[in-house]
Amino acid sequence: DQQVKQNSPSLSVQEGRISILNCDYTNSMFDYFLWYKKYPAEGPTFLISISSIKDKNEDGRFTVFLNKSAKHLSLHIVPSQPGDSAVYFCAASLPSGTYKYIFGTGTRLKVLA
Amino acid sequence: DAGITQSPRYKITETGRQVTLMCHQTWSHSYMFWYRQDLGHGLRLIYYSAAADITDKGEVPDGYVVSRSKTENFPLTLESATRSQTSVYFCASTSGTGEQYFGPGTRLTVT
Repeated sequence: DQQVKQNSPSLSVQEGRISILNCDYTNSMFDYFLWYKKYPAEGPTFLISISSIKDKNEDGRFTVFLNKSAKHLSLHIVPSQPGDSAVYFCAASLPSGTYKYIFGTGTRLKVLA
Repeated sequence: DAGITQSPRYKITETGRQVTLMCHQTWSHSYMFWYRQDLGHGLRLIYYSAAADITDKGEVPDGYVVSRSKTENFPLTLESATRSQTSVYFCASTSGTGEQYFGPGTRLTVT
């Protein structure tokens, strides 16, 4: 049973436009959410996070939105750049203090020049 | 080198062999994790450790063994490798601030 779902396996966006990556979750007890970016042959790298007490967090070109009632998380990248082409994973954790995350299956973003 | 390293980066082994994947971090992070990445499944947690000598199972622990005698090392052993354990394995660590830092991965093929 996949508790964190990324229903779009891939996304293509034109350079300069907005990229929107989506993530849905089923467990309302999740209290912390993160986005990771992964390039081929490398480990995932942290991008941005949001606590369940917030509905938005912004860092430069990256903004994460959290809609708790819909159990939905989204990552906006504006403007998109070719270097943003990667696989993006969302992850969620429970308030257990163990820092264990449950990851989604990933969305491959391709930014076209 | 500072950071988190994994060795080997690539490994081919035969069914039934024992294989150990190494993970080393230089930050003295308390928490360490092992994940496997498979197409259609994303990253799945195999084992994690909250401190030296404290380990616990994740989502998919069957067929794997871990130990953590030192804070900086967290080896993962496949006691008798099976083809279903062909995967890319990632080690990660965190000090407890939230984000995890990942190693570069080990691509394991079991023939």
